[in-house]
Amino acid sequence: AQSVTQLDSHVSVSEGTPVLLRCNYSSSYSPSLFWYVQHPNKGLQLLLKYTSAATLVKGINGFEAEFKKSETSFHLTKPSAHMSDAAEYFCVVSENTDKLIFGTGTRLQVFP
Amino acid sequence: SAVISQKPSRDICQRGTSLTIQCQVDSQVTMMFWYRQQPGQSLTLIATANQGSEATYESGFVIDKFPISRPNLTFSTLTVSNMSPEDSSIYLCSVGRTGVQETQYFGPGTRLLVL
Repeated sequence: AQSVTQLDSHVSVSEGTPVLLRCNYSSSYSPSLFWYVQHPNKGLQLLLKYTSAATLVKGINGFEAEFKKSETSFHLTKPSAHMSDAAEYFCVVSENTDKLIFGTGTRLQVFP
Repeated sequence: SAVISQKPSRDICQRGTSLTIQCQVDSQVTMMFWYRQQPGQSLTLIATANQGSEATYESGFVIDKFPISRPNLTFSTLTVSNMSPEDSSIYLCSVGRTGVQETQYFGPGTRLLVL
């Protein structure tokens, strides 16, 4: 069965420093992987997705993620955090079906 | 992407009553989904709604509690029936297009508080 584990429930960074949000997945097949962001009192926005093309995926707002099959990881990174990046981030896995499995989320705080 | 709207955006309801949530998309889509996000929790899929067929419910969710309609390719409703405080959640609809690599786009959500 497919699953996804977000290793940190909270991450705090200073503005201008790098961001790393960690995600590990479990899947029997070649999965599709996504990162979604949820700002307070707003809906979910797709940041980026991996679907068996390039292993380094670039998304919106300067975020990117690297698919590492050997480590079953899909960590989200950004070189320099901005105050507007403060939000909840969800790692999501899908196995060639329409069903998305969400991780438990990581709350990112950005301090000035 | 798709522009998705939900009504109502929020509501406060009394236990034992029912609430119908509407989801409208600006273009025709094959797949529509309903999710629940309980306070402080992640998203859980309630059901998949395809036009012209019965909704498919996930384990732990039943049609009597969460009846769904999908009358056309741009609209769906989810009803939360006989509500209890445990139904207080954010309910989100999402849409996807078969063959577009499972990407789903989400509506803004409906915040429900049951007293």
